[in-house]
Amino acid sequence: DIVMTQSPDSLAVSLGERATINCKSSQSVLYTSSNKNYLAWYQQKPGQPPTLLIYWASTRESGVPDRFSGSGSGTDFTLTISNLQAEDVAVYYCQQYYSTPRTFGQGTKVEIK
Amino acid sequence: QLQLQESGPGLVKPSETLSLTCTVSGDSIRSTTYYWGWIRQPPGKGLEWIGSIYYSGSTYYNPSLNSRVTIFVDMSKNQFSLKLSSVTAADTAVYYCARHSEWGLHSPFDYWGQGTLVTVSS
Repeated sequence: DIVMTQSPDSLAVSLGERATINCKSSQSVLYTSSNKNYLAWYQQKPGQPPTLLIYWASTRESGVPDRFSGSGSGTDFTLTISNLQAEDVAVYYCQQYYSTPRTFGQGTKVEIK
Repeated sequence: QLQLQESGPGLVKPSETLSLTCTVSGDSIRSTTYYWGWIRQPPGKGLEWIGSIYYSGSTYYNPSLNSRVTIFVDMSKNQFSLKLSSVTAADTAVYYCARHSEWGLHSPFDYWGQGTLVTVSS
């Protein structure tokens, strides 16, 4: 299984500031023939299902504000929330869809400082 | 607009079989583009992929649950279902059904149901 490890487990950021979440996979999720990283980011607010934010490591899902951005390749990835808004308070998960079983990171809780 | 809705008992006794159904509206489950999946989340914990299915009946399971899991499609009702046998308290979780996005099995989940809490308790 590919183990996904996120850091930190939680962070508190002031409104308007930047939040950075890291995700490391135990093996590469880069499919070399397509040069695509099989890595997604989700946002989950309390009592709601996850929603897809980013796929292919850096492509924003339709309707996702451009303050959300993804980067990285291979085994190391980052989700950045620029200009943090109150509605961004949530738990964020990375997920690899490179191999079976699909696996998720343990989640990172983002709060307002 | 695609919608997915989970349904089934909210309480299951230990050693029995958990059965849930996901009803898909706004799209046909027999679409050749999409795969459909189940994911669960124990209270206060992270997400675990259970398995996925194609309309043809091809299934892909998490090896950690493989011997206890069955996922199947009912095209006449536009539904897919999950059965998890020999449940224990560790199977208590919110169970979500979801759709893989347009790139098939190797793609993220772009639509999710609201989830249903299943508690395993006598």
